[in-house]
Amino acid sequence: GAGVSQSPSNKVTEKGKDVELRCDPISGHTALYWYRQSLGQGLEFLIYFQGNSAPDKSGLPSDRFSAERTGGSVSTLTIQRTQQEDSAVYLCASSRTSGTLNEQFFGPGTRLTVL
Amino acid sequence: SQQGEEDPQALSIQEGENATMNCSYKTSINNLQWYRQNSGRGLVHLILIRSNEREKHSGRLRVTLDTSKKSSSLLITASRAADTASYFCATDANSKLTFGKGITLSVRP
Repeated sequence: GAGVSQSPSNKVTEKGKDVELRCDPISGHTALYWYRQSLGQGLEFLIYFQGNSAPDKSGLPSDRFSAERTGGSVSTLTIQRTQQEDSAVYLCASSRTSGTLNEQFFGPGTRLTVL
Repeated sequence: SQQGEEDPQALSIQEGENATMNCSYKTSINNLQWYRQNSGRGLVHLILIRSNEREKHSGRLRVTLDTSKKSSSLLITASRAADTASYFCATDANSKLTFGKGITLSVRP
């Protein structure tokens, strides 16, 4: 596709349920990034992939958060046993490769609301 | 944790005026980038300045970087109502971006 796409655009869930967020990067981009944006914390890095491996998972807030990437393309961010503090906009970005000087292109985000 | 801190937090100007936004950061960087976010939409990359550059231009945008002061500024000249958005600086270290809290710019027509 022309840009990074994310689905769903909005997700409302009940506390304690698991959710899966999907990201389709720009075709040919080998690096993929997950960020989260919330009122209290601003924009935070979560994890990035180079190919299918994740060299940096340092931003994942807890072991309830996990992400995978298969085939060097689509990525899924999974949040287990959601809590209200998980409510945020989850942003995905991709770049041609990882490393400095690579512009990251962002998707529109998934707005997650945990009731 | 936030690496970049922008100021002011909010800026309101008249169309045609220039807007200057500042960003300070704490640690060494490879480059610094500025992004724009329109309400409810994704981030759009505006400009990247490398750590060995001092100034860069792109259209109506001018970015400066002072690594000795660990600060950067974004100047938007001849602002337009369509420039109304939130602006974020982001520092790049080891592939991940660390963002500031953002500046809300309102351009009055």
